[in-house]
Amino acid sequence: AQSVTQPDIHITVSEGASLELRCNYSYGATPYLFWYVQSPGQGLQLLLKYFSGDTLVQGIKGFEAEFKRSQSSFNLRKPSVHWSDAAEYFCAVGSGTYKYIFGTGTRLKVLA
Amino acid sequence: DVKVTQSSRYLVKRTGEKVFLECVQDMDHENMFWYRQDPGLGLRLIYFSYDVKMKEKGDIPEGYSVSREKKERFSLILESASTNQTSMYLCASSPNYDRGTNGYTFGSGTRLTVV
Repeated sequence: AQSVTQPDIHITVSEGASLELRCNYSYGATPYLFWYVQSPGQGLQLLLKYFSGDTLVQGIKGFEAEFKRSQSSFNLRKPSVHWSDAAEYFCAVGSGTYKYIFGTGTRLKVLA
Repeated sequence: DVKVTQSSRYLVKRTGEKVFLECVQDMDHENMFWYRQDPGLGLRLIYFSYDVKMKEKGDIPEGYSVSREKKERFSLILESASTNQTSMYLCASSPNYDRGTNGYTFGSGTRLTVV
């Protein structure tokens, strides 16, 4: 069965520091992978996606993620975090259907 | 520029009430979804619909039903609200043409409190 694991429930970084949020998945074939961001009280916004091609994908707000098949990972990165990046981040995995599985989320806190 | 609209941001209902959560999308998407979001549990799929009048149970359908009479509208119904249904409810939609490669478009969510 498909599954997604986000091992970090909370992460705190200082403004200007680099960020990496971890996502591991379990899926038999090449999955479709997504990162979403949720600001407080809001719905989820798509940051970036991967389904084929270059394994390093660029998204909005300066985020990027790298698909590593050997590690079953799709970690989200940002070189320099801004205070406005404080939010909850969700990784999701899908297949060739329309139904996705979401991780439990990582809440990011940014220190001034 | 709003594309998935959930009719209420906040709702407070009493135990035993019948509750309707409405979701409308203007992107002509075939697929629509209802999730509930709880701290530490992430998003859990309640029901989804891939066509008008079609519905399928998700992972946690108990205590809920849905209605999709028109393509743009997907309603979630709590037949008899209970306190354990206090949660954030998220509606989402996606098209068929991309075969799942573009992800969902989400609404802003409805925070439901059952007292």
